[in-house]
Amino acid sequence: QVQLQESGPGLVKPSQTLSLTCTVSGGSISSGGYYWSWIRQHPGKGLEWIGYIYYSGSTYYNPSLKSRVTISVDTSKNQFSLKLSSVTAADTAVYYCARDNWGLIDYWGQGTLVTVSS
Amino acid sequence: DIVMTQTPLSLSVTPGQPASISCKSSQSLLHSDGKTYLYWYLQKPGQSPQLLIYEVSSRFSGVPDRFSGSGSGTDFTLKISRVEAEDVGVYYCMQGIHLRTFGQGTKVEIK
Repeated sequence: QVQLQESGPGLVKPSQTLSLTCTVSGGSISSGGYYWSWIRQHPGKGLEWIGYIYYSGSTYYNPSLKSRVTISVDTSKNQFSLKLSSVTAADTAVYYCARDNWGLIDYWGQGTLVTVSS
Repeated sequence: DIVMTQTPLSLSVTPGQPASISCKSSQSLLHSDGKTYLYWYLQKPGQSPQLLIYEVSSRFSGVPDRFSGSGSGTDFTLKISRVEAEDVGVYYCMQGIHLRTFGQGTKVEIK
């Protein structure tokens, strides 16, 4: 059973960089065949895809966030990470990591709330 | 960018009655490999989203057969044949042919 767990600060100051890590258990990122995704949900709103990474390191980002987003992978730790720079209050959201197989997202983390506030 | 538009945005259904949600994409989701990359997810209150339907009409493992998906090209529909109390939540369609885009979500509640 694959499990994903997000971790990182729950509070980030405006203009700083939001950093989250997703730890995968029950399956290996380096086995291939999946994209490892970040998706967020603003409070009371819908889902917004942020981007994903393949185990090889290839990345794909939402064009609306591309200039501020970096997703990386550490196969030795079976983790992948999200960095979002120059955050504002509009980046306050629940951030989910997930496993994506051509759109078939079968495993999700529980989500972590990140609040941007001074 | 592909835009996904769902209707209605909310739905109140009597238990045992059917429900239907429409999803339209701004571009065809039919890939050259013959597959159509349209998915349906349900987010129950307080939970992470869960996959219901993949590639338009295939039910994911464990999904009850009262859920069905149909459509082609740019027009898609999710149907619940007989709504149960546990079906409450927000339903999202999502395209997977070019990056990923979710619909706005349709909130389903029980009357």
